[in-house]
Amino acid sequence: KAGVTQTPRYLIKTRGQQVTLSCSPISGHRSVSWYQQTPGQGLQFLFEYFSETQRNKGNFPGRFSGRQFSNSRSEMNVSTLELGDSALYLCASSADSLTYEQYFGPGTRLTVT
Amino acid sequence: AQRVTQPEKLLSVFKGAPVELKCNYSYSGSPELFWYVQYSRQRLQLLLRHISRESIKGFTADLNKGETSFHLKKPFAQEEDSAMYYCALTQSGSNYKLTFGKGTLLTVNP
Repeated sequence: KAGVTQTPRYLIKTRGQQVTLSCSPISGHRSVSWYQQTPGQGLQFLFEYFSETQRNKGNFPGRFSGRQFSNSRSEMNVSTLELGDSALYLCASSADSLTYEQYFGPGTRLTVT
Repeated sequence: AQRVTQPEKLLSVFKGAPVELKCNYSYSGSPELFWYVQYSRQRLQLLLRHISRESIKGFTADLNKGETSFHLKKPFAQEEDSAMYYCALTQSGSNYKLTFGKGTLLTVNP
């Protein structure tokens, strides 16, 4: 099976812009979670989608949003970018809510200048 | 609020020496604990989970609810064990919100 893929892998944006990141889960996986990884805060949970519904959300401002499509692919959007949004954004997929293993993608490195 | 603490940012041992990576957690409910590992230039991947009570690559971890700890141990470290190790917690029965520790970088010297 192909692993979790994330596009783009690298992105440079300017403060105030918005950005959309994409995640394609492993075939058959219906749950997609997003995490932000920074040197200072480590890995922090953003949100999780299952069958196109957001089931849980972390403590991030409303500028961070996401969605999931019927084919389980997911996107996350960050509006009005701030310098502090520079991070590695990781996507993880799992088969269902009772499966404890999450499979991670390679991440999208976002740099905000 | 749930929290995972890995007190050591860096841990360096020699090949063949025992290794213990510490993890402490705070959570009011019934937690599920995991260890994830990230080797150089590879993706974050699950190493082991406490409910499986299994040994993976010679590593074991025991959940101690009294001490709220889930330390990762290996009796004889190998150079290929060098990696970043993350302890993570989720609510029992709900795997989709992992709370991670900040990680410990393990270096195994020849």
